[in-house]
Amino acid sequence: DTAVSQTPKYLVTQMGNDKSIKCEQNLGHDTMYWYKQDSKKFLKIMFSYNNKELIINETVPNRFSPKSPDKAHLNLHINSLELGDSAVYFCASSQGGSLNQPQHFGDGTRLSIL
Amino acid sequence: AQSVTQLDSHVSVSEGTPVLLRCNYSSSYSPSLFWYVQHPNKGLQLLLKYTSAATLVKGINGFEAEFKKSETSFHLTKPSAHMSDAAEYFCVVSSTDSWGKFQFGAGTQVVVTP
Repeated sequence: DTAVSQTPKYLVTQMGNDKSIKCEQNLGHDTMYWYKQDSKKFLKIMFSYNNKELIINETVPNRFSPKSPDKAHLNLHINSLELGDSAVYFCASSQGGSLNQPQHFGDGTRLSIL
Repeated sequence: AQSVTQLDSHVSVSEGTPVLLRCNYSSSYSPSLFWYVQHPNKGLQLLLKYTSAATLVKGINGFEAEFKKSETSFHLTKPSAHMSDAAEYFCVVSSTDSWGKFQFGAGTQVVVTP
């Protein structure tokens, strides 16, 4: 009964390739997020969607494109992968994005660029 | 604007001794504060949250935190460390002027020695 699930768990690919990461939540939340965690464990928000609408778009290269087909899904497509994209990407969800509601995280997708 | 500072990047404790993880925040508005734990190769799990109710908040696994507005602090404590507490801990703040944006601290790695 995984609440927030991401696939794949590991992704190893060559520089220049295009790849996608999928995220699904079964908590009934209406807000979903993508975070990037670097090798020093620092977490940086990338995107957030509320009811399929993009509400947070941080300074992320436009090679990264999120897509939310419905409230329960938020996918991340990355074009022309670069070495600096190597990181762990976390999907999260919350109810309403309000301050009182905590986020629930997936287990992460470990992306390694060769 | 909001920010959060975790004062220790590394904390080492002996099993059975108290744990103290320090967190200071700044926020223009009444903040909500959270502590998350991240075990190796896992996503973040909520330990506890403060949302303007009781200033002493009890969480899971014997952790608790105290909100001190005068000191702008939200330190996390546990009376007796267990080996399973070895993990990365994140202090997080959100506030009304930053809908959907959760500001993460840089993390504190906890090492527990037998």
